[in-house]
Amino acid sequence: EAQVTQNPRYLITVTGKKLTVTCSQNMNHEYMSWYRQDPGLGLRQIYYSMNVEVTDKGDVPEGYKVSRKEKRNFPLILESPSPNQTSLYFCASSLPGGNKQYFGPGTRLTVT
Amino acid sequence: GNSVTQMEGPVTLSEEAFLTINCTYTATGYPSLFWYVQYPGEGLQLLLKATKADDKGSNKGFEATYRKETTSFHLEKGSVQVSDSAVYFCALAGFGNEKLTFGTGTRLTIIP
Repeated sequence: EAQVTQNPRYLITVTGKKLTVTCSQNMNHEYMSWYRQDPGLGLRQIYYSMNVEVTDKGDVPEGYKVSRKEKRNFPLILESPSPNQTSLYFCASSLPGGNKQYFGPGTRLTVT
Repeated sequence: GNSVTQMEGPVTLSEEAFLTINCTYTATGYPSLFWYVQYPGEGLQLLLKATKADDKGSNKGFEATYRKETTSFHLEKGSVQVSDSAVYFCALAGFGNEKLTFGTGTRLTIIP
């Protein structure tokens, strides 16, 4: 089954404690992306990757890092989380040039 | 830059009512337009898309027509069901571009 998986699904942490949210896809997609979803703001892109070792900033990259060492994995790293990073995070993947993106189930992060 | 404006929610309708969720966009060139749906506790799923002017996307009884003259992509369904209760996102992607720009989302609740 074609899917994007994320772990963990729920995470409560404290300010400053480094964390990683994993994302993996089994569709051999080149393009992967991270979004955050906040009430009244929709989804905003954090970072994206066009292929292995190729990553770039999206609209709201501050406070986040990513890496793409393998095609299937695209982890999101918060080196020093802050309360304003409390949000619902989605990973997505697609083939190049369009169109349909496949989304993971989401990770709800709370930073206290 | 690109932007998407969609109807504020929440929207509550009775079963079998007619649904319209308005979406307008601002973009350079010829974007592709999408409607994604998010069911409770899940990630986003592509509902329908249109890639050029006057195209009509359709799926599961939902329809939307790409109107370049009014820069709109309104979502419609003739007879909604309780199972249609979800959050609906309008989105666009630039030509040949994977990045999605989302609207803020419209929460739809259908009551029996």
